[in-house]
Amino acid sequence: SQELEQSPQSLIVQEGKNLTINCTSSKTLYGLYWYKQKYGEGLIFLMMLQKGGEEKSHEKITAKLDEKKQQSSLHITASQPSHAGIYLCGAPKSGNTPLVFGKGTRLSVIA
Amino acid sequence: EAGVAQSPRYKIIEKRQSVAFWCNPISGHATLYWYQQILGQGPKLLIQFQNNGVVDDSQLPKDRFSAERLKGVDSTLKIQPAKLEDSAVYLCASSLPGGREQFFGPGTRLTVL
Repeated sequence: SQELEQSPQSLIVQEGKNLTINCTSSKTLYGLYWYKQKYGEGLIFLMMLQKGGEEKSHEKITAKLDEKKQQSSLHITASQPSHAGIYLCGAPKSGNTPLVFGKGTRLSVIA
Repeated sequence: EAGVAQSPRYKIIEKRQSVAFWCNPISGHATLYWYQQILGQGPKLLIQFQNNGVVDDSQLPKDRFSAERLKGVDSTLKIQPAKLEDSAVYLCASSLPGGREQFFGPGTRLTVL
């Protein structure tokens, strides 16, 4: 079965610093989703990447998909306290099937 | 546009009791998912519905968990009897037919004592 490994598991950064979270799949990626979750709450959709080499940005968050490496990265520029939370990557096993998720990366941003 | 609604938000029960969670997806979303998220883990699919039919329930512990979506709109997930290891956040998500983006509800946090 497909597994997604996220690194690092947790991250503490100073406000204003840049950071990167990685997500590596054990099998071929048919797209990759990034979600953000506040503790104990639902998931907020951030971005969906469908094609190898695809890169998307929203505000200060950029995500890239490297199909050959079966890997995606999420980069946050000039982090803010509002970026704190748990970042989850998810991938469909194929097509539109339900998502398999990584364990998440817990991000803390300190002033 | 209203999002995915779930209730209750929190529930505390003792082991061997029964519990039910409710989900109302976004209007027009034919596909509905129930995920279980144990603390420190990513969400794990329990069951997927397409309208009122089950598409995938391979990871649903059928001896104690059941789910229905009788009219193809809202859905109920039940646990009977609950075990300590069922303590988790239960997330409901929905998507358009053929749609890839899943929209998640706020979740129900279950604590089994």
